[in-house]
Amino acid sequence: EAGVAQSPRYKIIEKRQSVAFWCNPISGHATLYWYQQILGQGPKLLIQFQNNGVVDDSQLPKDRFSAERLKGVDSTLKIQPAKLEDSAVYLCASSFGDRGEREQFFGPGTRLTVL
Amino acid sequence: GENVEQHPSTLSVQEGDSAVIKCTYSDSASNYFPWYKQELGKRPQLIIDIRSNVGEKKDQRIAVTLNKTAKHFSLHITETQPEDSAVYFCAASMGQAGTALIFGKGTTLSVSS
Repeated sequence: EAGVAQSPRYKIIEKRQSVAFWCNPISGHATLYWYQQILGQGPKLLIQFQNNGVVDDSQLPKDRFSAERLKGVDSTLKIQPAKLEDSAVYLCASSFGDRGEREQFFGPGTRLTVL
Repeated sequence: GENVEQHPSTLSVQEGDSAVIKCTYSDSASNYFPWYKQELGKRPQLIIDIRSNVGEKKDQRIAVTLNKTAKHFSLHITETQPEDSAVYFCAASMGQAGTALIFGKGTTLSVSS
């Protein structure tokens, strides 16, 4: 089966600019996650969707980050305006969303550099 | 808030030796504990997981143990090989739906031949 797809793979922007990332989860996966992975650290959850509804966005910096999952499939994550500390890899993951099937499958990530 | 602590941050072993990585978690509601392996520049990949109703699980050279009372779990890799060199992350389920993950900071494992 095809894995989680993300684009772009790399992005370099200047601070105060805006940027958007795209994710296409594995077909049939109801749950979609966005994680931020800063160099040398583990992934940190930003937002979790179940179909097209938000389940948990408690760690999303809502003054500058936004995310949507229209039609319950693809998702976009936006940062506006970007800060230097937003430099990280943004990972998208998906799972069936059933507590019987817990494995999260990660995409290749988007490496963001903010100058 | 909830957190997962992971030790050691770096681990160097000789090929054929065993490696042990330990994690502790804070949320008593956590009931799912996966371990991910991440090679440089690659995505995290699940190598083994354990649920709270099981104390130990083994898959070939990899095993995980869970002590719910003490809130800690460990990854054991036996007969290490150079291709085991990577960053390993432990994680625990958390969040409002109980399906999101909180990750440890990672252990860089180096296996020298």
